[in-house]
This record gives sequence, C-alpha cells and structure tokens, in this order.
Amino acid sequence: AQSVTQPDIHITVSEGASLELRCNYSYGATPYLFWYVQSPGQGLQLLLKYFSGDTLVQGIKGFEAEFKRSQSSFNLRKPSVHWSDAAEYFCAVAASSYNTDKLIFGTGTRLQVFP
Amino acid sequence: NAGVTQTPKFRVLKTGQSMTLLCAQDMNHEYMYWYRQDPGMGLRLIHYSVGEGTTAKGEVPDGYNVSRLKKQNFLLGLESAAPSQTSVYFCASTFDPYEQYFGPGTRLTVT
Repeated sequence: AQSVTQPDIHITVSEGASLELRCNYSYGATPYLFWYVQSPGQGLQLLLKYFSGDTLVQGIKGFEAEFKRSQSSFNLRKPSVHWSDAAEYFCAVAASSYNTDKLIFGTGTRLQVFP
Repeated sequence: NAGVTQTPKFRVLKTGQSMTLLCAQDMNHEYMYWYRQDPGMGLRLIHYSVGEGTTAKGEVPDGYNVSRLKKQNFLLGLESAAPSQTSVYFCASTFDPYEQYFGPGTRLTVT
C-alpha cells in the first residue's frame, strides 16, 4: 500500500538559516507528490507538486523540493527561513496511478523559527 | 469568491448527539473531500465525492455519513457522536485530483 513518512515531528531553526524537511514515500509506480503547509488555525495550502519531468520543482514562498527516485524521497528545502514560515508541513502522495483522486498524507513536521 | 467555507467553526456535542457539518465551495469543483486531523496522525480521509450525487468511502468512514445533493455542497453527518470523534475536520475541493483547496476547519469536541 502507498504510504508517506515524515521522520521529523518537530524541527527548530533560526531565522535566516536553511531548511530541509524530509519526506519518504512508498509507491509502486511513478508517484505524484505534494507538499502542503498549514499555518496555525488554518486549512492546508499547496506549496508545490511533482508529476514528472524536472526532478527539482519550485513552489510558492521560495520553497523547492527535489524528487529522488533512488531514495524514494521528496525533501522540501528553503535557503533562508523567515519567521512567517513557522507552520506545519505535510507531504502527500496520490493514492495510486489509477486512483489519483485521493491523496495520502504524512503525519506532518512542525517547524518552529527562532529570531 | 469565498473559496471553501465550513460551518460551524466550533461545536461541542454530548455523546450520542447528532450533527451535520456543511462544506460549501464556489469554484465549481467536481471533487470534494472530508478529512479529520488528529495530533500525530496527519490528515485521514473520511469520505469523498467525485461529482454531484456521488460519494465514496475513505480511510476512516465508520461513524460518518455524507451527502452531495448539490455540486457546491458536501455534508458530513455524525448520527451518534462518540468521544473518539473529537477532532478537527477539514473539507477540501478540487477541479482535478491534484491541487486540493482546503477550508478553515471545524473543531469538534464530543464529551
């Protein structure tokens, strides 16, 4: 069965530092991968998505993610974190290649940013 | 253009009571979803719909029912609430399966 693992429950970084949030997936075919962000008390917002092609994808708010098939990973990165990036981040994968109308979410990584 | 709205924002129920959560979207989306979010468990899909008049079970459907009588509305019902249904409920919609637009959530407490 498809699954998504986010190994880090909570990450703390200083403002201006670089950031990498880890995501590993289990999927039999070419995955459709997503990163969503949830600010406190809000719903989720799509940051970026990967379907095919260039393995480095750019998203909103200065985020990027790299798809590495050999490592089954889709890590989210940002070169310089801002205090407003404090939020919870969710990685997600489409349920299957023939059932792409559902997403499977990871358990999330909470990002705390210190000034 | 309000996007995805959810009613109510907060609710407290006693065990055994029933209630309906309303999700409305004004983007003419075909797909709509109900999730629950619990600490350390991410989002889990309860039910979803791929079009008006259709519904399907997700990962955790037990204890919930849904209806999609109108394209813009997706209702989630709890017939007999249990403390295990204390959670934050999110609705989402999309025109294709890939970019889901989320509502602000409903915080439900069952005592």
